[in-house]
This record gives sequence, C-alpha cells and structure tokens, in this order.
Amino acid sequence: AQSVTQLGSHVSVSEGALVLLRCNYSSSVPPYLFWYVQYPNQGLQLLLKYTSAATLVKGINGFEAEFKKSETSFHLTKPSAHMRDAAEYFCAVSVRSNNDMRFGAGTRLTVKP
Amino acid sequence: DTAVSQTPKYLVTQMGNDKSIKCEQNLGHDTMYWYKQDSKKFLKIMFSYNNKELIINETVPNRFSPKSPDKAHLNLHINSLELGDSAVYFCASSQAGGARTEAFFGQGTRLTVV
Repeated sequence: AQSVTQLGSHVSVSEGALVLLRCNYSSSVPPYLFWYVQYPNQGLQLLLKYTSAATLVKGINGFEAEFKKSETSFHLTKPSAHMRDAAEYFCAVSVRSNNDMRFGAGTRLTVKP
Repeated sequence: DTAVSQTPKYLVTQMGNDKSIKCEQNLGHDTMYWYKQDSKKFLKIMFSYNNKELIINETVPNRFSPKSPDKAHLNLHINSLELGDSAVYFCASSQAGGARTEAFFGQGTRLTVV
C-alpha cells in the first residue's frame, strides 16, 4: 500500500525565513500527492495537490511543492514565513486503484518573531 | 454553508457508554470517511463509504460501526467506550473514484472518555 514519511516532526523558522517541510512517498504505481494544513482546533484544509500534471504545484497562502519522481519526494516550501503559517502540516498520498488516502505523521511548524 | 459538518464538536462520556457522532456533507460527494487523530496528531483512516458500500475498513475494533442512511451522511457509532478511544474524530468526503481529488474535512469531534 502507498505511504508517506514526513521528515521532522517539528520545524522552527524565523518570520521571513524560508519554510521547507519534507515529504517522501512510497507507491508501486503513480501517486497523487497532497499537502494539508491544520490550524489549532480545526479540521484539515487543502494547501495544494499533485495529480500528474505539472511537477511544480502552487497552492494557497504562497506555498508550493515540487514532485520529484527520482527522489520520491514532494517537499513543501514557502519563500517567506509569516506568523500565521504556524500550524500542523500533513502530507498525504492516494493512488488510482483505490480511494485510500494515507497521511504522514505531520510536521508542526513554529514561526518565531 | 459548511461543506462537511460534524456534531457534536466536543463529547465527554464515561467508560462503557455508547455514543454516536454525526456527519453530513452538502458537496454532493459519493465517498465519505472517518479518520481518528490521536494525541500525537497522527491521522488514521477508519472507514470509507462509497455509494453506501464499505470499501475500506482498517483494523478497527468492531465496537466502532459506521452507519450511512444516505450518501450525504455517515455517522459513527461507538459501543462500550474505552479510555483509549479518546481522540479527535474527523469526517471527510471526496468524489467517488477520485483518487486525484482531495478530501474535504469537518471540524472534528473531540471525544474524551473518562
């Protein structure tokens, strides 16, 4: 079955600094990949998704991610962090053969003033 | 309009009780899910319903039973609650057969078993 691994359960950056959240996937067939954000006491909200079109995907709030098949990665980046970006971020994978979306363990992003 | 709504938002109950969490979506989606998020924020899929058929059932205790009266609703019934059932439960929905489509999540139900 497909799976994702998020490297780093906690990432801390300064306001204005680059944000890099890492995600590696495992799948025997071409995957669809997603990044979700969860603010405190809220549900998950989609940031962006990769569905086999462009490998560089732009999402909401200035985030983007690049699908790299050779590295089995789908890392999330944002050039300049804002305080409001502090949240939990989840990478997820699904495949065409089923509707089973699997989530990573999440990465908590802290933004320091 | 809330796309995926869950009730209640908070639920505190004693061990051994039976409780239900309701979920409704107004997106016209054919597939609905229940996820469990533990204290470490790990999300685990519990159930998935597509056109009233259960298509995924992870190794969830049979004390948990999903009930779908129609494709807009997927309720979660839990019998004989245990301390370990304390978690946040999320309902979600997506388009049928759409692995490339994202899931839309409700706000979650925080269940505390005492």
